Amino acid sequence: DAGVIQSPRHEVTEMGQEVTLRCKPISGHDYLFWYRQTMMRGLELLIYFNNNVPIDDSGMPEDRFSAKMPNASFSTLKIQPSEPRDSAVYFCASRFGQLYSPLHFGNGTRLTVT
Amino acid sequence: GQQVMQIPQYQHVQEGEDFTTYCNSSTTLSNIQWYKQRPGGHPVFLIQLVKSGEVKKQKRLTFQFGEAKKNSSLHITATQTTDVGTYFCAGQGQTGANNLFFGTGTRLTVIP
Repeated sequence: DAGVIQSPRHEVTEMGQEVTLRCKPISGHDYLFWYRQTMMRGLELLIYFNNNVPIDDSGMPEDRFSAKMPNASFSTLKIQPSEPRDSAVYFCASRFGQLYSPLHFGNGTRLTVT
Repeated sequence: GQQVMQIPQYQHVQEGEDFTTYCNSSTTLSNIQWYKQRPGGHPVFLIQLVKSGEVKKQKRLTFQFGEAKKNSSLHITATQTTDVGTYFCAGQGQTGANNLFFGTGTRLTVIP
């Protein structure tokens, strides 16, 4: 199994630009999570999907952030327009089933907004 | 909202010394999971605890879940340089929600 695949690994962009992060979950997993990690705030849950449907997006910082999951094998997290405070490592994770299932994380996307 | 705190935030130990990190939740949890993140890496699942008072061991690592299911600990015996990384606990609430709330993490440095 290839695991959770995220792209790009690194992204450097200028303030005001649109940024799109991509994630391919493990085949067969029905839950997909987007987390953001910073030194100050640790691992924050942004949004999660179940069977491609967004269930809880209360962690999405503001309207500049949006996430989609058009099918079971692909999800995107978009920031438009980006700001320097969005600089962080963004992780996608997937799992199968509800309670008691471990999360499988991708390698993350390190985003730098200048 | 649900909060999961970990102490200490940082820990430096000499190789061979023991290490313990503590995790406390503001609410009762249905289960707790532990993850390890190596520097520059991503969190990797270590273990899950479900039952009140449960204790599980993985070689030199011992995990405990409190009787009230609101706290947990990870103890490493005789640390090695390969233990370096940040250890996170992650709790799942009892309301049926499927999201995991990660603790603040404890960054372990092992001095050879």
